[in-house]
Amino acid sequence: QKEVEQNSGPLSVPEGAIASLNCTYSDRGSQSFFWYRQYSGKSPELIMFIYSNGDKEDGRFTAQLNKASQYVSLLIRDSQPSDSATYLCAVKGSSYKLIFGSGTRLLVRP
Amino acid sequence: DGGITQSPKYLFRKEGQNVTLSCEQNLNHDAMYWYRQDPGQGLRLIYYSQIVNDFQKGDIAEGYSVSREKKESFPLTVTSAQKNPTAFYLCASSPSDSRSGNTIYFGEGSWLTVV
Repeated sequence: QKEVEQNSGPLSVPEGAIASLNCTYSDRGSQSFFWYRQYSGKSPELIMFIYSNGDKEDGRFTAQLNKASQYVSLLIRDSQPSDSATYLCAVKGSSYKLIFGSGTRLLVRP
Repeated sequence: DGGITQSPKYLFRKEGQNVTLSCEQNLNHDAMYWYRQDPGQGLRLIYYSQIVNDFQKGDIAEGYSVSREKKESFPLTVTSAQKNPTAFYLCASSPSDSRSGNTIYFGEGSWLTVV
């Protein structure tokens, strides 16, 4: 079992829709959870992080964390074509290392 | 401007050659990291350092070496022992490697190709 798992996609949604990206992790001692966006050929840029159970909202983005289910998700409201990218879930576990999933490719259709 | 600077952006390596990728940060961050990304794949941790003069192997350290003589600098050497080094290399840093969820920020990356 991979430490951080994501569906590789592509996830295709129409412009204006809600995109839902999911991530599961194996280390129950994980403390912090991050979502990064990566455009092709570029380095990852941080969208948001969460470390408490529940929801955290920032503009069009909402991160949701459920530690009991070892599940973290990212919702993107009013999706735009510029949101088309690969979204990386990252988990900082008890070993303090940041472990990345392989990413989910999102396509927003105009 | 504050940030993480990686150089060179593009590098070509001949078989049997060692090459060094530079990473400098002026964010006063304690922790620094090197990741490798292959096309269509996620990031894999090569080495990380939580403090000057100390570093730990990540998941794919074989064929790589690092040093952390200064807080600002964390160079990565890709040695001839690394048989498949063609990849995108990302340096990153964070304020401190604690359990409070300190964010990791990335440099712009270096593309290494074996010729």
